[in-house]
Amino acid sequence: SQQGEEDPQALSIQEGENATMNCSYKTSINNLQWYRQNSGRGLVHLILIRSNEREKHSGRLRVTLDTSKKSSSLLITASRAADTASYFCATGVIGGGKLIFGQGTELSVKP
Amino acid sequence: DSGVTQTPKHLITATGQRVTLRCSPRSGDLSVYWYQQSLDQGLQFLIQYYNGEERAKGNILERFSAQQFPDLHSELNLSSLELGDSALYFCASSALGGEQFFGPGTRLTVL
Repeated sequence: SQQGEEDPQALSIQEGENATMNCSYKTSINNLQWYRQNSGRGLVHLILIRSNEREKHSGRLRVTLDTSKKSSSLLITASRAADTASYFCATGVIGGGKLIFGQGTELSVKP
Repeated sequence: DSGVTQTPKHLITATGQRVTLRCSPRSGDLSVYWYQQSLDQGLQFLIQYYNGEERAKGNILERFSAQQFPDLHSELNLSSLELGDSALYFCASSALGGEQFFGPGTRLTVL
């Protein structure tokens, strides 16, 4: 079963705009990871944020984590057409290594 | 390139058959995970191995089994295949508790 929900399910923006995707989850976590998937291909790891961290940056990506609200957000700044993909959050559960995925946000960046 | 390899890329077979999917983890990673991605269920965790031992089990059917060999590669065996088993099967590897890096997946089509 899915751990949480991602919002929105689909997002369409223009190149250069920022894209924000949100993820909510249900149980306590060890970490939260974000992935990108292009058209049913492989999952590319973007960033991992641990439960004791609140914010993390990687290039044009900014991830926040609010464990009190059981939510996370992924911000992609200055988006490019190449950012068009599905984005998934995945929670790493305490005491185990498995990831529980959300249903994903489909991002479309128009040139 | 994540460093995780999976073979084959595509597999087409008939109902009732048995197939084996193979995964080689990134160098140095002891943990291997298997996930299934389908349109109706999304990304689901199947099973985890750590250094040859089963570590965690998800919603893996009894018709499915896996193992991790001494050289750390892993195989997922799917038997008595049904139409509903058609999906993308991903392998991922990690150092324990860290980022999980995914292979390109095996697309299984059961006719």
